[in-house]
Amino acid sequence: AAGVIQSPRHLIKEKRETATLKCYPIPRHDTVYWYQQGPGQDPQFLISFYEKMQSDKGSIPDRFSAQQFSDYHSELNMSSLELGDSALYFCASSFREGRAADTQYFGPGTRLTVL
Amino acid sequence: QQPVQSPQAVILREGEDAVINCSSSKALYSVHWYRQKHGEAPVFLMILLKGGEQKGHEKISASFNEKKQQSSLYLTASQLSYSGTYFCGTDRETTDSWGKFQFGAGTQVVVTP
Repeated sequence: AAGVIQSPRHLIKEKRETATLKCYPIPRHDTVYWYQQGPGQDPQFLISFYEKMQSDKGSIPDRFSAQQFSDYHSELNMSSLELGDSALYFCASSFREGRAADTQYFGPGTRLTVL
Repeated sequence: QQPVQSPQAVILREGEDAVINCSSSKALYSVHWYRQKHGEAPVFLMILLKGGEQKGHEKISASFNEKKQQSSLYLTASQLSYSGTYFCGTDRETTDSWGKFQFGAGTQVVVTP
Protein backbone atom coordinates (compact mmCIF):
# COMPACT_ATOMS: atom_id res chain seq x y z
CA ALA A 1 0.00 0.00 0.00
CA ALA A 2 1.15 3.53 -0.71
CA GLY A 3 2.61 5.43 2.21
CA VAL A 4 3.47 9.00 3.01
CA ILE A 5 6.58 10.14 1.17
CA GLN A 6 8.94 12.73 2.56
CA SER A 7 11.92 14.29 0.91
CA PRO A 8 14.71 14.68 1.49
CA ARG A 9 15.31 12.03 4.13
CA HIS A 10 18.40 13.81 5.43
CA LEU A 11 19.36 17.45 5.21
CA ILE A 12 22.37 19.31 6.53
CA LYS A 13 22.29 23.09 6.65
CA GLU A 14 24.28 25.89 8.20
CA LYS A 15 22.89 28.45 10.65
CA ARG A 16 20.85 31.19 9.01
CA GLU A 17 20.28 29.14 5.87
CA THR A 18 16.87 28.09 4.59
CA ALA A 19 15.42 24.64 4.09
CA THR A 20 12.38 23.21 2.34
CA LEU A 21 10.90 19.89 3.34
CA LYS A 22 8.39 18.13 1.12
CA CYS A 23 5.57 15.76 1.94
CA TYR A 24 3.47 13.67 -0.41
CA PRO A 25 0.41 12.28 1.39
CA ILE A 26 -1.21 8.93 0.82
CA PRO A 27 -3.43 9.13 -2.29
CA ARG A 28 -6.94 10.44 -1.53
CA HIS A 29 -5.87 11.77 1.85
CA ASP A 30 -6.96 15.36 2.21
CA THR A 31 -5.17 16.40 5.40
CA VAL A 32 -1.50 16.89 6.11
CA TYR A 33 0.17 17.43 9.48
CA TRP A 34 3.72 18.51 10.28
CA TYR A 35 5.54 17.52 13.46
CA GLN A 36 8.95 18.26 14.91
CA GLN A 37 10.60 15.68 17.15
CA GLY A 38 13.76 16.45 19.05
CA PRO A 39 16.00 13.69 20.48
CA GLY A 40 14.18 11.77 23.21
CA GLN A 41 11.10 13.96 22.92
CA ASP A 42 7.56 13.44 21.77
CA PRO A 43 6.46 14.77 18.38
CA GLN A 44 5.44 18.41 18.63
CA PHE A 45 2.61 19.44 16.36
CA LEU A 46 3.54 22.33 14.08
CA ILE A 47 0.73 22.89 11.61
CA SER A 48 -1.93 21.09 9.60
CA PHE A 49 -3.79 21.60 6.34
CA TYR A 50 -7.16 20.35 5.22
CA GLU A 51 -8.15 20.65 1.59
CA LYS A 52 -5.27 23.06 0.95
CA MET A 53 -6.33 25.44 3.71
CA GLN A 54 -4.52 25.82 7.02
CA SER A 55 -6.52 23.85 9.53
CA ASP A 56 -4.71 24.18 12.81
CA LYS A 57 -1.55 25.74 14.12
CA GLY A 58 0.66 24.47 16.90
CA SER A 59 4.10 25.48 18.06
CA ILE A 60 5.40 26.56 14.68
CA PRO A 61 7.98 29.36 14.84
CA ASP A 62 7.35 32.50 12.79
CA ARG A 63 10.48 31.62 10.78
CA PHE A 64 8.66 28.59 9.42
CA SER A 65 5.85 28.58 6.91
CA ALA A 66 3.99 25.83 5.14
CA GLN A 67 1.41 25.30 2.49
CA GLN A 68 -0.54 22.56 0.80
CA PHE A 69 -0.73 22.56 -2.98
CA SER A 70 -3.46 21.63 -5.42
CA ASP A 71 -2.09 18.08 -5.70
CA TYR A 72 -2.26 17.85 -1.87
CA HIS A 73 1.47 17.68 -1.36
CA SER A 74 2.80 20.02 1.28
CA GLU A 75 6.01 21.92 1.84
CA LEU A 76 7.49 23.20 5.08
CA ASN A 77 9.75 26.19 4.55
CA MET A 78 12.23 27.00 7.26
CA SER A 79 14.28 30.19 7.22
CA SER A 80 17.05 31.65 9.38
CA LEU A 81 17.82 28.18 10.66
CA GLU A 82 19.05 27.85 14.22
CA LEU A 83 20.96 25.04 15.91
CA GLY A 84 17.82 24.21 17.88
CA ASP A 85 15.95 23.44 14.67
CA SER A 86 17.93 20.22 14.34
CA ALA A 87 15.34 17.48 14.69
CA LEU A 88 13.31 14.84 12.92
CA TYR A 89 10.46 16.38 10.98
CA PHE A 90 7.53 14.13 10.33
CA CYS A 91 4.67 14.61 7.98
CA ALA A 92 1.47 12.68 8.50
CA SER A 93 -1.61 12.43 6.35
CA SER A 94 -5.18 11.42 6.97
CA PHE A 95 -8.59 11.31 5.41
CA ARG A 96 -11.11 13.19 7.47
CA GLU A 97 -14.31 11.22 7.65
CA GLY A 98 -16.36 14.16 8.73
CA ARG A 99 -15.42 14.90 12.31
CA ALA A 100 -14.45 11.33 13.08
CA ALA A 101 -11.59 8.87 12.82
CA ASP A 102 -8.79 11.17 11.80
CA THR A 103 -6.16 8.45 11.80
CA GLN A 104 -2.80 9.90 10.95
CA TYR A 105 -0.27 7.90 8.97
CA PHE A 106 3.27 9.09 9.36
CA GLY A 107 5.97 9.42 6.77
CA PRO A 108 9.53 8.23 7.42
CA GLY A 109 10.65 11.70 8.45
CA THR A 110 13.33 14.15 7.38
CA ARG A 111 16.33 14.44 9.65
CA LEU A 112 17.50 18.04 9.65
CA THR A 113 20.89 18.87 11.05
CA VAL A 114 21.86 22.52 11.46
CA LEU A 115 25.57 23.16 11.89
CA GLN B 1 -2.42 20.99 27.22
CA GLN B 2 -0.39 17.86 26.75
CA PRO B 3 -2.02 14.58 27.81
CA VAL B 4 -0.31 12.82 30.70
CA GLN B 5 1.03 9.32 30.16
CA SER B 6 2.02 6.80 32.78
CA PRO B 7 4.21 5.02 33.46
CA GLN B 8 7.20 6.68 31.85
CA ALA B 9 8.83 3.35 31.24
CA VAL B 10 8.14 -0.33 31.75
CA ILE B 11 10.27 -3.43 31.39
CA LEU B 12 8.54 -6.71 30.62
CA ARG B 13 9.53 -10.28 29.99
CA GLU B 14 8.07 -11.91 26.93
CA GLY B 15 4.54 -13.08 27.64
CA GLU B 16 3.87 -10.58 30.42
CA ASP B 17 1.15 -7.96 30.37
CA ALA B 18 1.30 -4.19 30.80
CA VAL B 19 -1.07 -1.25 30.86
CA ILE B 20 -0.24 2.25 29.68
CA ASN B 21 -2.48 5.11 30.72
CA CYS B 22 -3.20 8.44 29.06
CA SER B 23 -5.27 11.15 30.68
CA SER B 24 -6.36 14.64 29.85
CA SER B 25 -7.79 17.49 31.85
CA LYS B 26 -9.88 18.56 28.86
CA ALA B 27 -12.84 16.91 27.18
CA LEU B 28 -11.63 14.63 24.45
CA TYR B 29 -13.12 13.69 21.12
CA SER B 30 -10.69 10.90 20.39
CA VAL B 31 -7.57 9.19 21.66
CA HIS B 32 -4.96 7.80 19.29
CA TRP B 33 -2.21 5.34 20.17
CA TYR B 34 1.07 5.06 18.29
CA ARG B 35 4.24 3.04 18.74
CA GLN B 36 7.59 4.41 17.67
CA LYS B 37 10.86 2.54 17.40
CA HIS B 38 14.09 4.45 17.64
CA GLY B 39 14.73 6.62 14.59
CA GLU B 40 11.54 5.51 12.88
CA ALA B 41 8.16 7.09 12.29
CA PRO B 42 5.30 6.57 14.74
CA VAL B 43 3.07 3.71 13.64
CA PHE B 44 -0.67 3.87 14.20
CA LEU B 45 -2.07 1.27 16.58
CA MET B 46 -5.51 2.27 17.70
CA ILE B 47 -8.02 5.07 17.74
CA LEU B 48 -10.82 5.40 20.26
CA LEU B 49 -13.65 7.78 19.69
CA LYS B 50 -16.06 9.42 22.05
CA GLY B 51 -19.10 7.21 22.05
CA GLY B 52 -17.20 3.98 22.17
CA GLU B 53 -16.17 3.30 18.61
CA GLN B 54 -12.73 1.74 18.26
CA LYS B 55 -10.52 1.22 15.27
CA GLY B 56 -7.26 -0.64 15.24
CA HIS B 57 -5.31 -3.10 13.22
CA GLU B 58 -3.07 -4.89 15.65
CA LYS B 59 -3.64 -7.38 18.45
CA ILE B 60 -3.54 -4.63 21.02
CA SER B 61 -6.60 -3.48 22.93
CA ALA B 62 -7.50 -0.20 24.52
CA SER B 63 -10.28 1.49 26.40
CA PHE B 64 -11.54 5.03 26.66
CA ASN B 65 -13.27 6.26 29.81
CA GLU B 66 -15.11 9.39 28.71
CA LYS B 67 -16.07 10.38 32.24
CA LYS B 68 -12.47 10.38 33.38
CA GLN B 69 -11.04 11.51 30.00
CA GLN B 70 -8.65 8.64 30.29
CA SER B 71 -7.52 5.92 27.93
CA SER B 72 -5.61 2.74 28.67
CA LEU B 73 -3.63 0.62 26.24
CA TYR B 74 -3.33 -3.05 27.10
CA LEU B 75 -0.31 -5.03 26.01
CA THR B 76 -1.10 -8.67 26.62
CA ALA B 77 1.22 -11.62 26.19
CA SER B 78 3.92 -9.19 25.12
CA GLN B 79 6.29 -10.05 22.31
CA LEU B 80 9.79 -8.76 21.65
CA SER B 81 8.35 -6.71 18.77
CA TYR B 82 6.28 -4.72 21.25
CA SER B 83 9.38 -2.85 22.39
CA GLY B 84 9.33 0.83 21.57
CA THR B 85 7.95 4.11 22.78
CA TYR B 86 4.17 4.32 22.97
CA PHE B 87 2.55 7.70 22.49
CA CYS B 88 -1.03 8.63 23.03
CA GLY B 89 -2.37 11.51 21.00
CA THR B 90 -5.48 13.35 21.98
CA ASP B 91 -7.91 15.33 19.91
CA ARG B 92 -9.87 17.68 22.09
CA GLU B 93 -13.45 18.65 21.68
CA THR B 94 -13.47 22.24 20.53
CA THR B 95 -15.82 24.43 18.58
CA ASP B 96 -13.20 26.59 16.87
CA SER B 97 -11.31 24.04 14.83
CA TRP B 98 -10.91 20.41 14.11
CA GLY B 99 -9.18 19.97 17.38
CA LYS B 100 -5.92 20.49 19.16
CA PHE B 101 -4.05 17.28 18.52
CA GLN B 102 -1.26 16.68 21.00
CA PHE B 103 0.99 13.78 21.88
CA GLY B 104 1.80 12.67 25.38
CA ALA B 105 5.42 12.44 26.49
CA GLY B 106 5.55 8.74 25.68
CA THR B 107 6.01 5.47 27.56
CA GLN B 108 9.12 3.48 26.82
CA VAL B 109 8.44 -0.25 26.72
CA VAL B 110 11.23 -2.80 26.76
CA VAL B 111 10.37 -6.46 26.31
CA THR B 112 13.14 -8.88 27.19
CA PRO B 113 13.46 -12.57 26.31
